[in-house]
Amino acid sequence: DAKTTQPPSMDCAEGRAANLPCNHSTISGNEYVYWYRQIHSQGPQYIIHGLKNNETNEMASLIITEDRKSSTLILPHATLRDTAVYYCIVRVPGSSNTGKLIFGQGTTLQVKP
Amino acid sequence: SAVISQKPSRDICQRGTSLTIQCQVDSQVTMMFWYRQQPGQSLTLIATANQGSEATYESGFVIDKFPISRPNLTFSTLTVSNMSPEDSSIYLCSVHGQGFPEAFFGQGTRLTVV
Repeated sequence: DAKTTQPPSMDCAEGRAANLPCNHSTISGNEYVYWYRQIHSQGPQYIIHGLKNNETNEMASLIITEDRKSSTLILPHATLRDTAVYYCIVRVPGSSNTGKLIFGQGTTLQVKP
Repeated sequence: SAVISQKPSRDICQRGTSLTIQCQVDSQVTMMFWYRQQPGQSLTLIATANQGSEATYESGFVIDKFPISRPNLTFSTLTVSNMSPEDSSIYLCSVHGQGFPEAFFGQGTRLTVV
């Protein structure tokens, strides 16, 4: 699985959009970009995933560049409860390593009032 | 989705002893995964547990230290053996639900070895 690079920390004002970047310059053509978050003392929670098109769900939006070498997770209206560590992971769903995730250090997002 | 129950949620153990962590899933899954999260660190995969076969361990983890059982498609255990303070971590169970692209995690077991 390709490696990802994320900034170690970011701040965001409550109510504003939080934009979390991720670099995955060695991503393969069949690898998807996944985002998870881990709120303090809890297990990681799935947020969103995508291959090459932009994706949106009830939690967030995922913007993937045309060359797929980077992506941005957008939390449109951050709340204090979005304070967490956010992990960007690339993997092939349904592969022999199904479910196996390689976690980097992630980005600690601090949402401030 | 898949709901995962881990037991115990936390424990404080004496060095040299062993602790068995249980992971129960509300649906049948082919593979279950065990992760370790040391204080202030990210998650590291320990092993993959398949029903009916021996677990597959990642580099740096061995069966004698972290024996795993997988008696059926909804249950697994991880034992942390002969514990030392360096084993103090959060241990997490994860599954990949049938038909779902994402992985699901238990709430973790916070282990402190004194």
